[in-house]
This record gives sequence, structure tokens and C-alpha cells, in this order.
Amino acid sequence: EIVMMQSPATLSVSPGERATLSCRASQSVSNNLAWYQQKPGRAPRLLIYGASTRATGIPARFSGSGSGKEFTLTISSPQSEDFAVYYCQQYNNWYSFGQGTKLEIK
Amino acid sequence: EVQLVESGGGLVQPGGSLRLSCAASGFTFSNYAMSWVRQVPGKGLEWVSAISGAGGSTYHADSVQGRFAISRDNSKNTLHLQMNSLRAEDTAMYYCAKEPYAAAGDAFDLWGRGTMVIVSS
Repeated sequence: EIVMMQSPATLSVSPGERATLSCRASQSVSNNLAWYQQKPGRAPRLLIYGASTRATGIPARFSGSGSGKEFTLTISSPQSEDFAVYYCQQYNNWYSFGQGTKLEIK
Repeated sequence: EVQLVESGGGLVQPGGSLRLSCAASGFTFSNYAMSWVRQVPGKGLEWVSAISGAGGSTYHADSVQGRFAISRDNSKNTLHLQMNSLRAEDTAMYYCAKEPYAAAGDAFDLWGRGTMVIVSS
């Protein structure tokens, strides 16, 4: 089983301040990595797939990078609606999710 | 409108059974692999089961292998999860999720709103 580890658990930023979220895999997942956003009481929403490709309708302020074992989700200028929990997921060897990073308003 | 709507959740006793359903609309259902993903309230996401677009290939997480069975009825655009021998640790919100291709093993590009399963005596 591939274990996904996200850091930090909670990230506090001011609106407009760059946010950088990290995800590390216990073994290489190539670029088979997705990022999801989840708001309270809502289902997850796909943001990024293939490590760096934005899903349909996702604003350009969201960007993904990395390959192999280390990945990053960057929100260049977070808006109020971006404060939520973010999960990374590998789909190189079945599926496994990180434990999530909560992005909160500072 | 492209959407997934889950149903069938509820309260069940340990050792009991439950069958979840997910109704798909707005896309050609048989063209896409589907999965069930669960989430304990306040906790992270856990993949449960997946099925190919034609239904010929199914996959289950070790935690549910032998107890849960995923299936689909492409004539009715519906996905199912038969859950048997339920345990307290199966308590969670269950989401159905769509993949972008017929073969399983990709990201989930569409999610339903979920149905809650509570296993308790």
C-alpha cells in the first residue's frame, strides 16, 4: 500500500497570501497524483490531475507540481472561497489519499 | 445536468447488510469506471471499491474484501454497493465517484453528495 503524507496539517494564510501545500508518497507514483478540495458538508472536488493539469473550470490561481514522490499544490492568491480542506491522492497503484491539509484564514 | 445521486444509507446493526445505490445522469454511464469512496465524519477519505465501465472488472480495498461487492446496471445508469457483515468501523459517508475512462485507475472527476451509513446496535 502506498502511504500519502500531507503537510502541514493546518496552514494559516491571509487572503491574497501565497499558500503552498505539500504531499509526499511512500514510493514513487510517477505523475499519477490528484488534488481535491473539500468544503464542510460537501463532496470533494477535483482540482488537479496528472500532478499538474487543472480540471475543468478550476481557476488559474491553483497550480500543481512534482513527480515521483514529492508534490506541491500552490494557490497563488487565495480567495475567501478557497479556505477548505485539501487532499492529495495517488492512483498509480490503486488509490490512496493523504490525511488532508486544512487551509484557514489567518 | 451531469450528476451522481447516492441513496440507501441508514442505520444498521453490526453483522447486518445494506445496499447502496448511485444514480448517474447527464453522461454515458457505461463509458466510465466508477468507485465508492468513504469518509468517517471529520476524517480523511478511503477508497472502497471500483468497477470498470462494462462491469467486467471489480476491485475492493483489503478492508472490505469478501464483505462488500460493487456492481453496476448500465441499462439503468446505476451503481451499487452491497455491504454485508457490517462492522462499526464501516460507519461513514459513502460517496460514489466517476473516473474519466472506462478502465479503473485514474482520478475521480465527478462525485456525488454521499449517503451516510451508521453501524450501531
